[in-house]
Amino acid sequence: DAGVTQSPTHLIKTRGQQVTLRCSPISGHKSVSWYQQVLGQGPQFIFQYYEKEERGRGNFPDRFSARQFPNYSSELNVNALLLGDSALYLCASSSKNRKLAGAKDEQFFGPGTRLTVL
Amino acid sequence: GIQVEQSPPDLILQEGANSTLRCNFSDSVNNLQWFHQNPWGQLINLFYIPSGTKQNGRLSATTVATERYSLLYISSSQTTDSGVYFCAVVRGDMRFGAGTRLTVKP
Repeated sequence: DAGVTQSPTHLIKTRGQQVTLRCSPISGHKSVSWYQQVLGQGPQFIFQYYEKEERGRGNFPDRFSARQFPNYSSELNVNALLLGDSALYLCASSSKNRKLAGAKDEQFFGPGTRLTVL
Repeated sequence: GIQVEQSPPDLILQEGANSTLRCNFSDSVNNLQWFHQNPWGQLINLFYIPSGTKQNGRLSATTVATERYSLLYISSSQTTDSGVYFCAVVRGDMRFGAGTRLTVKP
């Protein structure tokens, strides 16, 4: 079975531009989460979507938005790019909604999209 | 929010040596995972271990949820074990530690 896939692999943008990153979860997984990893740090949570609804949001500005489609794939959009948005953007999928009490899920990560903002 | 601390931040070993990586967290959690991040950035699942002990080959992990820590053991290390090891906990959202950078020298 295919794992989590992300596109594109690499992306170079300039300040002020907008970018869209894409993620396809593992077949059968309904939950998709997005993370930002800047160099030298651990990944930071941005969003979780489950069954096409936003179920969690991290401490990121409104320039960051996401959505999930009926086939459970997801897009992350970042507007008005800043130099500090340069990072590895990771997508993870799982079969459970983490907000449910007692939910036990395992996150599986894609290879990431490396975004460089010049 | 919940704090996740990993130690040591850096570890250099000779091939064949054993090591223990530690993850402390500040509150009760629903889930805990250990990952290995390879040089290309891919996070590889090692263990899903909210509590108890698991083993997979040369790797094993123990989580003591009541004392809020987890340990990852690597035995007979190989150069391919090099990379960054992350602990991540879930209490609502997933929070990662800063990682332990492991270098195994031949």
